[in-house]
Amino acid sequence: DQQVKQNSPSLSVQEGRISILNCDYTNSMFDYFLWYKKYPAEGPTFLISISSIKDKNEDGRFTVFLNKSAKHLSLHIVPSQPGDSAVYFCAALNDYKLSFGAGTTVTVRA
Amino acid sequence: NAGVTQTPKFQVLKTGQSMTLQCAQDMNHNSMYWYRQDPGMGLRLIYYSASEGTTDKGEVPNGYNVSRLNKREFSLRLESAAPSQTSVYFCASIRTGSGGEQYFGPGTRLTVT
Repeated sequence: DQQVKQNSPSLSVQEGRISILNCDYTNSMFDYFLWYKKYPAEGPTFLISISSIKDKNEDGRFTVFLNKSAKHLSLHIVPSQPGDSAVYFCAALNDYKLSFGAGTTVTVRA
Repeated sequence: NAGVTQTPKFQVLKTGQSMTLQCAQDMNHNSMYWYRQDPGMGLRLIYYSASEGTTDKGEVPNGYNVSRLNKREFSLRLESAAPSQTSVYFCASIRTGSGGEQYFGPGTRLTVT
């Protein structure tokens, strides 16, 4: 049973516009939520995280929002750049273990 | 500082053959992990080692064994490979108290025919 879900397998956005990626989870015991970025033939790399006690965390062009009552988080990328084209994984941490979503492939169009 | 390294990068096995995937990290991290990535399924945890000398099953452990050789190294063994184990395998490590930020290796692409 998948505890972390990314319901949009792909997203296409124009360069300079906002990318919004969504993620839902079912386990209320998760205490951190993270986003990872993955390029082809490479391992995932950490992008940004948020503690379950916060509702927003910002790092440059990347902002993660957490809505605990809805068990939903989102990643906003503003402005989107061609180098942002990659697969983005949402993940959630409980007891040393990460649970991952299936990923969203983002394509940034020039 | 190489981070997390994995060998080999690619491997083709016949059904029933065995092999060991190697992973090492030079960041002095306590915890290490093995994942597999399949299309449409994200990364699934196979085994993990919270600290040197301990290992625990993850979400999909069947058909695999692991060894935490020392603090740096964590290997994954397939005793009798099956086509269902065709996948990309990632090793990762984490610094205790970092809030889940894992460092991943480049992956091993395994094909079982």
